[in-house]
Formats: sequence, structure tokens, C-alpha cells
Amino acid sequence: QQQVKQSPQSLIVQKGGISIINCAYENTAFDYFPWYQQFPGKGPALLIAIRPDVSEKKEGRFTISFNKSAKQFSLHIMDSQPGDSATYFCAASNREGSSNTGKLIFGQGTTLQVKP
Amino acid sequence: DTGVSQDPRHKITKRGQNVTFRCDPISEHNRLYWYRQTLGQGPEFLTYFQNEAQLEKSRLLSDRFSAERPKGSFSTLEIQRTEQGDSAMYLCASSPRRDMNTEAFFGQGTRLTVV
Repeated sequence: QQQVKQSPQSLIVQKGGISIINCAYENTAFDYFPWYQQFPGKGPALLIAIRPDVSEKKEGRFTISFNKSAKQFSLHIMDSQPGDSATYFCAASNREGSSNTGKLIFGQGTTLQVKP
Repeated sequence: DTGVSQDPRHKITKRGQNVTFRCDPISEHNRLYWYRQTLGQGPEFLTYFQNEAQLEKSRLLSDRFSAERPKGSFSTLEIQRTEQGDSAMYLCASSPRRDMNTEAFFGQGTRLTVV
């Protein structure tokens, strides 16, 4: 019930194209869904996050789409650039409730390569 | 404030040796997390501190692992009698609160290689 499943494992996109990464979760108690970006040798950095009471959130070229009934969410990167080449992780967390620690459950990651 | 700091960045050790890693969270962040990341995988939760109290430990944290956060500031993660399977990136993260709008900030990690 704690798993978050992410696909695809790797993705190659041409510059200017749209990159789409999908995640599915099982635990309906999750209430916070962030996406992290990680470059080699670096720690993950928050890209964008969404709460389950909204279906979409957009920040610049990055959009999260959230489908609560399907227990799925996805990251869309518009106008993908070579600098976006990195590993992307979806995650989920249960933040409400005094006993919850806010720990993140991560997906397996997607390695994105944007070709110039 | 320069973010979450981890030391060392890299550690190579022989099997059976003990190692200790340090994490300095962002100042005034009372919540601190340790994660482990193996090659090609997402980070996996190890343990959580709220101030100096260790409030949750993953089943991944065997009895060879111990973590402390004295005085609620920096934290250490010790691995005793290291095994080759302990080779991984150990990540520390901190946050000021647990609510919806607070992100966890990650350090750059300590990469452990057990030979």
C-alpha cells in the first residue's frame, strides 16, 4: 500500500517536445504529491507539487495532472530543453494527522534525455 | 544559509568497518529525514527526527544502523560492520514543518562504497 509506481523508466525527447512521466499510487491516505528533479551527483530538488483537491497545477513549463479516482498523477514538461535532462522522481506523502511524519515514498525514477 | 550539508561526500570503506555520516540541516528546521538511494532507484526512507526525538524508523534500518540527532541540530548516521549491500547514496533532508505547503530540502548525499 505504500508503493508508488513510476513509468517509463527512461525517456528520450527532442528539444521542444513534450515529456510525460506517469505515476500511480495505492494508499488513499496520501495527500501530498511532489515531483523531484535530480542531476548526477546531486540530491533531489523539488520541482512542483500538488494536493489532491486540485486536478492540475502549472508552474512555467511544468504541469502536474492529478486523477484522484484513478490514483494517478503525471508530470508534463512542455518545450523540453537539453538542460531538462535529468532523473525525475514522483513521490507521495501523508501529511495530515499529528502522527504522520511527512516521509516521502518515491517512485523508481525516470531518466529523461532531451536531444538538441 | 547554504542548504542541507552532508559530510563526507564520498566514503570508501572495507567490508566489516564502521562508518559515520553527518548531516547539518537548514538552521531552524526541526524535522530531519534520512533516505538511502541505490543506483537506478528512488530514495527509500530510513528514519525521521523531530527535533532530537527519533520518531520513526524503517524496517530497512537494521540493527547495524543507528542514527542520532543530539540537541536537535545536526544528525549522524552510523553503519556498523558494513556489508557490500550497504553501498548506496545516503541522503539527508530537512523541513521546517510537516504541512501541505512545506517542501523537504535534500542535501547532496554521501556516496558509500563498501569494498
